[in-house]
Amino acid sequence: QDQLVESGGGVVQPGGSLRLSCAASGFTFTTFDMHWVRQAPGKGLEWVAVIRYDGTKEYYIDSVKGRFTISRDNSKNTLYLQMNSLRAEDTAVYYCAKDLRNVIGYASDIWGQGTMVTVSS
Amino acid sequence: DIQMTQSPSSLSASIGDRVTITCRASQSISSYLNWYQQKPGKAPKFLIYAASSLQSGVPSRFSGSGSETVFTLTISSLQPEDFATYYCQQSYSTPLTFGGGTKVEIK
Repeated sequence: QDQLVESGGGVVQPGGSLRLSCAASGFTFTTFDMHWVRQAPGKGLEWVAVIRYDGTKEYYIDSVKGRFTISRDNSKNTLYLQMNSLRAEDTAVYYCAKDLRNVIGYASDIWGQGTMVTVSS
Repeated sequence: DIQMTQSPSSLSASIGDRVTITCRASQSISSYLNWYQQKPGKAPKFLIYAASSLQSGVPSRFSGSGSETVFTLTISSLQPEDFATYYCQQSYSTPLTFGGGTKVEIK
């Protein structure tokens, strides 16, 4: 069965860095675009980034451009999110999600359990 | 960026009620609209894509409709497991954006 498992969350000081990982299993990872979505405590969902199935294209929300990098290692079935220059407002649960590969735009059909990132001094 | 506005932000309903949630886009997004359900402490669950296509395994009491700028999610007969927060998401252009959510509570 399709499964995503995130790891790498924790507490980091403002200005610090963290790398999240998302291990995929149960589906052909190399053929699906992948997303990161976050949710601040008590708030709604916020899409962060997407990476093309072959790693050749990425898109980001403006607030993380130049600070976060989405990447993937298709040989390891793993998605990453490198987060630099972290700010308090980046505090959230971070979810990785698989794309449906639908002809009508993106859609996230499988989600991980999430990993908490807390940016605090 | 395309803004997505959901209404109401919360509602109270009883088991068996018909529930409708509305999502409005700040510009036309054709049918590039998804719906998700989220329960407290859990990851979102994917319900509907392309405005009206039901994801495999989702009960048929859920349905979606609309196009361009106005969309609806309808639960035809509310069940106990449906009490949750529902989010719409546009996939017409990046950045993908979600609505603020609609919390469905027990009356």
